[in-house]
Amino acid sequence: EVQLVESGGGLVKPGGSLRLSCVASGFTFNSYSMNWVRQAPGKGLEWVASISSSSSSYIYHADSVKGRFTISRDNAKNSLYLQMNSLRPEDTAVYYCARDKYTSSFGDYWGQGALVTVSS
Amino acid sequence: DIQMTQSPSTLSASVGDRVTITCRASQSISSWLAWYQQKPGKAPNLLIYKASTLESGVPSRFSGSGSGTEFTLTINGLQPDDFATYYCQQYNTYWTFGQGTKVEIK
Repeated sequence: EVQLVESGGGLVKPGGSLRLSCVASGFTFNSYSMNWVRQAPGKGLEWVASISSSSSSYIYHADSVKGRFTISRDNAKNSLYLQMNSLRPEDTAVYYCARDKYTSSFGDYWGQGALVTVSS
Repeated sequence: DIQMTQSPSTLSASVGDRVTITCRASQSISSWLAWYQQKPGKAPNLLIYKASTLESGVPSRFSGSGSGTEFTLTINGLQPDDFATYYCQQYNTYWTFGQGTKVEIK
């Protein structure tokens, strides 16, 4: 059974940093590109970042987080990461990791989400 | 950037109704479009990809159509479990989601 489990969310002050993790199981992690998507409270879905299966083909970030957030992965640990720096109140959201069904496609499996709250 | 516009934002319907949701792209995305269902407090659930391909395990009352810039999601015979919010997503260039359509009980 495919499972994606996020962790690392919490309350952080503006300007602070947080690192989210997403541990994958039930599939060959190093064969799939991965993504982060966020959802602010009561709002819609917003793509955050994408990374290819080996990290070497592509890494993309949305303009809203470019220069502040970094997506990465460790295939030996079946893990996806999102390093978030210089956090702003508008970054408050539930952050989901999602697996690409095919390379550079859409999310067929999603984690349960990790809540990040940026507030003083 | 490619923008996605869904309509309507909210839709009131009854069990058994046929429901149609529209999604428009700001430029052609061929058939690189997916539809998701999301319930409160849950992650999105993939329904349809490549505009009209039903994901495995998704009931056949869901269907998708369109190409280029105009797409539709149709639910034939709305069931109680279908009251949720639906999102379209383009994956032609990165990902962009529509703003969502909430299907509520009439």
